[in-house]
Amino acid sequence: AQTVTQSQPEMSVQEAETVTLSCTYDTSESDYYLFWYKQPPSRQMILVIRQEAYKQQNATENRFSVNFQKAAKSFSLKISDSQLGDAAMYFCAYRSQGYSGGGADGLTFGKGTHLIIQP
Amino acid sequence: DAGITQSPRHKVTETGTPVTLRCHQTENHRYMYWYRQDPGHGLRLIHYSYGVKDTDKGEVSDGYSVSRSKTEDFLLTLESATSSQTSVYFCAISEGGQVTDTQYFGPGTRLTVL
Repeated sequence: AQTVTQSQPEMSVQEAETVTLSCTYDTSESDYYLFWYKQPPSRQMILVIRQEAYKQQNATENRFSVNFQKAAKSFSLKISDSQLGDAAMYFCAYRSQGYSGGGADGLTFGKGTHLIIQP
Repeated sequence: DAGITQSPRHKVTETGTPVTLRCHQTENHRYMYWYRQDPGHGLRLIHYSYGVKDTDKGEVSDGYSVSRSKTEDFLLTLESATSSQTSVYFCAISEGGQVTDTQYFGPGTRLTVL
């Protein structure tokens, strides 16, 4: 079974600065998908970014980018020019390639990192 | 917005009572999921569906059942609620027709079992 580890329960950053959230995962698969989701106080889960393991290029969405290191099984999220609205819980998630049944077809989440933005 | 609604949004119930949570989607997505979120655990998969009347168990399925009699609705039932089932429940869909498509989530249901 795959596991996802977020080693930073909480991070704090000054507004306009850059912060990096860490995520590592354990898998024996070669093809898979990785995600970062944001959960603000409203509780809504919001997709931040998606990475396909077969793509070497790191995904980017505006101020959000990832550093995907497949050999190291690492998938960190970098937030540039942090804004007050970025304050939230951030979850890293893993998804296997293809349908395998037996309960393996959802996302496997880490426990989250609480990001605080200091004004 | 993936057109997902959940009802009720909040519910308080007593131990031993049956509870049904509803997930409704408007965009004909094939794959639907139920997760629970507890402090210190992130989200964990309860059950999922890959079509009408086609469902399978997830990581934490004990004490839960699901049904999907039509594409747009995925029901999660707690036959006899226990305090350990106090949680926030999220429904999700896979956008597009592939199980590996990105999952989008509903707004969540906060369930409290006294």
